Amino acid sequence: AQTVTQSQPEMSVQEAETVTLSCTYDTSESDYYLFWYKQPPSRQMILVIRQEAYKQQNATENRFSVNFQKAAKSFSLKISDSQLGDAAMYFCAYGLIQGAQKLVFGQGTRLTINP
Amino acid sequence: NAGVTQTPKFRVLKTGQSMTLLCAQDMNHEYMYWYRQDPGMGLRLIHYSVGEGTTAKGEVPDGYNVSRLKKQNFLLGLESAAPSQTSVYFCASNRGRVYGYTFGSGTRLTVV
Repeated sequence: AQTVTQSQPEMSVQEAETVTLSCTYDTSESDYYLFWYKQPPSRQMILVIRQEAYKQQNATENRFSVNFQKAAKSFSLKISDSQLGDAAMYFCAYGLIQGAQKLVFGQGTRLTINP
Repeated sequence: NAGVTQTPKFRVLKTGQSMTLLCAQDMNHEYMYWYRQDPGMGLRLIHYSVGEGTTAKGEVPDGYNVSRLKKQNFLLGLESAAPSQTSVYFCASNRGRVYGYTFGSGTRLTVV
């Protein structure tokens, strides 16, 4: 079975600084997606960024970028120029391309932004 | 507004009571899912459906039943609630192909 591990329960960063959230996963499959979701206090699940495993280029969305290391099964999220609105719980998730596209989530990392 | 609507948003149940959580989507998505979120455990899949009339078990199905009689609705039932089912429940729908997930806003359920 696929598993996703986020080893940092909590992280904090100064406003305007850069922070990296870690995620590792375990799978024997070759065709899959990886995702980072943000969950603010409103509880809404917001897609931050996604990466297709077959793409070697790391995904980027404005201040958010990933470091995808397929062989190491690592998928970290870098947030540049951190803003107060980035404070939230962040979840890493994995899903196969084929089939029912069920998501497997990590335990989550709570990110605090210090002004 | 298009999206996924969950009803109710909050509920307190007594042990042994039953209830049904309703999820409705208006995006004509084939796939629908129920996840539960617990502190330190992320979201875990309870049941899912790949189309009208189909359901399947996820990672933590015990104590729950589901039905998808209409494409737009996915119901999650608790026949005899237990304190271990205290959680936040999320419904999601997915258009498939390129992973177009849309999540509902969640239901906070407390079983006392």
